[in-house]
Amino acid sequence: DAGITQSPRYKITETGRQVTLMCHQTWSHSYMFWYRQDLGHGLRLIYYSAAADITDKGEVPDGYVVSRSKTENFPLTLESATRSQTSVYFCASRPAGGGGSSYNEQFFGPGTRLTVL
Amino acid sequence: AQKVTQAQTEISVVEKEDVTLDCVYETRDTTYYLFWYKQPPSGELVFLIRRNSFDEQNEISGRYSWNFQKSTSSFNFTITASQVVDSAVYFCALSEANAGGTSYGKLTFGQGTILTVHP
Repeated sequence: DAGITQSPRYKITETGRQVTLMCHQTWSHSYMFWYRQDLGHGLRLIYYSAAADITDKGEVPDGYVVSRSKTENFPLTLESATRSQTSVYFCASRPAGGGGSSYNEQFFGPGTRLTVL
Repeated sequence: AQKVTQAQTEISVVEKEDVTLDCVYETRDTTYYLFWYKQPPSGELVFLIRRNSFDEQNEISGRYSWNFQKSTSSFNFTITASQVVDSAVYFCALSEANAGGTSYGKLTFGQGTILTVHP
């Protein structure tokens, strides 16, 4: 199906474990983003990517690693999960360039609820 | 640094009341974009509106209206004749733009306002 998907939708893990959250989009959008949502903070940017093999840190990158070998995929890895990383994670994408009604609009995935025990 | 403040953490109204959600932003950019997103209880983020910094025209879409005032750095959102289905968390967000007017699209979100509409 066309769109942006995230997997898993729910994940429970333990402190110290490695966890990878997957994000896949079918629009061939150049830009992709990872945000985390926490009560009282809204959504905060973790990492973003302007194209395959181009990634950069956002506001809260510590403890996370990303890669983007293919345009359509943007996985987020917690190398050693901590309780403070319990959150809802949203992936988003948008096309590059200007013009058009979708210019600058980000399309969000359904989110992944991660619990770290 | 960019910042978005939604001072109202929670708002509770009765159906058919009008309600305004406040959003105040800070940015050094002269070109920027402002957004409102809705997050219903199901959890997904729904795009409502985008406004660029050069367009201060207010906008109305059905029961929704937005008031953008650069002089006060505010982008408030009003729901007229609220309905139970309007119950959600509403986020205001700000996006930078470079000198060419394009943007990587990184969003800075406010803390969100929880709106509850009672029947």
